[in-house]
Amino acid sequence: DIVMTQSPDSLAVSLGERATIKCKSSQSLLYDSDNKNYLAWYQQKPGQPPRLLIYRAFTRESGVPDRFSGSGFGTDFTLTISRLQAEDVAVYYCQEYYSTLRTFGGGTKVEIK
Amino acid sequence: QITLKESGPTLVKPTQTLTLTCTFSGFSFSTTGVGVGWIRQPPGKAPEWLALIYWDDDERYRPSLKSRLTITKDTSKNQVALTMTNMTPADTGTYYCAHRQYHADSGTGGAFDIWGQGTVVTVSS
Repeated sequence: DIVMTQSPDSLAVSLGERATIKCKSSQSLLYDSDNKNYLAWYQQKPGQPPRLLIYRAFTRESGVPDRFSGSGFGTDFTLTISRLQAEDVAVYYCQEYYSTLRTFGGGTKVEIK
Repeated sequence: QITLKESGPTLVKPTQTLTLTCTFSGFSFSTTGVGVGWIRQPPGKAPEWLALIYWDDDERYRPSLKSRLTITKDTSKNQVALTMTNMTPADTGTYYCAHRQYHADSGTGGAFDIWGQGTVVTVSS
């Protein structure tokens, strides 16, 4: 089974500053047939379902502000919020959809410092 | 616009069978690549994928729960149902259905791009 490890568990960032979340997969998420990394990032606010932010490691979903960006390749991925806004307070999850299990990471809680 | 909505009991007793229904709009199982999944989230924990059904009737299950799960679709009603048998308190959580992306450029599946609001299920006697 693929294990998805996120870090840190939580972080506090000042408004307007950068927030960086890491996600490490126990095996490569690069799909040979299309050379894409099968990695997604979600944002979840209290009482709401997860919202897809990024797929294929760095493609922003329609309607997602451009302050959210994804990067990485193979087993190591990063979600960056370039200028944190108050509405970005949430838990962020990475998810692999390379395997049948479609495993989620443990989540990173982002708060305002 | 794609929407999904879950419905079902909020409280089930241990050993009972849970049946949830996902009613959707904005897409159809007659379209190649369409998939609908069920994902649950225990209180304060990360989501966990349970099952997925595809336009071509293919079904996939979380291996550890495969013996307890059944996913079905009713194309005429735009519904997907999930049945989970032998419920225990460990199954308590919020259950979501979600639309799975399909990348036509590569013919491969993607992430869950649209989610229902979820339904809270508590297992208790």
